[in-house]
Amino acid sequence: ETGVTQSPTHLIKTRGQQVTLRCSSQSGHNTVSWYQQALGQGPQFIFQYYREEENGRGNFPPRFSGLQFPNYSSELNVNALELDDSALYLCASSLAVLNYGYTFGSGTRLTVV
Amino acid sequence: AQTVTQSQPEMSVQEAETVTLSCTYDTSESDYYLFWYKQPPSRQMILVIRQEAYKQQNATENRFSVNFQKAAKSFSLKISDSQLGDAAMYFCAYRRGTNAGKSTFGDGTTLTVKP
Repeated sequence: ETGVTQSPTHLIKTRGQQVTLRCSSQSGHNTVSWYQQALGQGPQFIFQYYREEENGRGNFPPRFSGLQFPNYSSELNVNALELDDSALYLCASSLAVLNYGYTFGSGTRLTVV
Repeated sequence: AQTVTQSQPEMSVQEAETVTLSCTYDTSESDYYLFWYKQPPSRQMILVIRQEAYKQQNATENRFSVNFQKAAKSFSLKISDSQLGDAAMYFCAYRRGTNAGKSTFGDGTTLTVKP
């Protein structure tokens, strides 16, 4: 079975720009969650998608948005980038089963300058 | 809001020895799930072990086991016969029983394994 694939692996953007990060879920998984991991910290929940609908969101502003496609792949879009958006962005796929853990991608390292 | 605390930023262990990583959490829920994840330097996070709060029996996965103390809201990870490949950052995570989505993570413990 394939794992979770994220692209790109690294990205440098200028403050104020927009960015789109992509994620392909593990085969058979129907739920995708996005996390932001600042250096030296644990992942912070951004939002989750299930059946192409957002069904959970963390404390992130509306300029963080996402999509899930019929094949369960997903995008994370961030508008009006700020310096504090610099972080590792992790995509995690799962089944919509409560005790099911995540399968994570390797992440996208975003640097905002 | 649920919080997860890992009080040991760094731990080290000698190869073949046993080490325990601590995790405490705060919740008013009775139904929830707990997880330990490992994040090696390659940065891909891997699920190590999971525990359902309604189960009294501690979860075990090969050399990894947990000590789940529900009343104390403690969820420690024990790694037996430590191997060099166990070196990584370990994250404790909490998930509410009514939400298959959001997990709350601690800030991690960096484990060093000495040969």
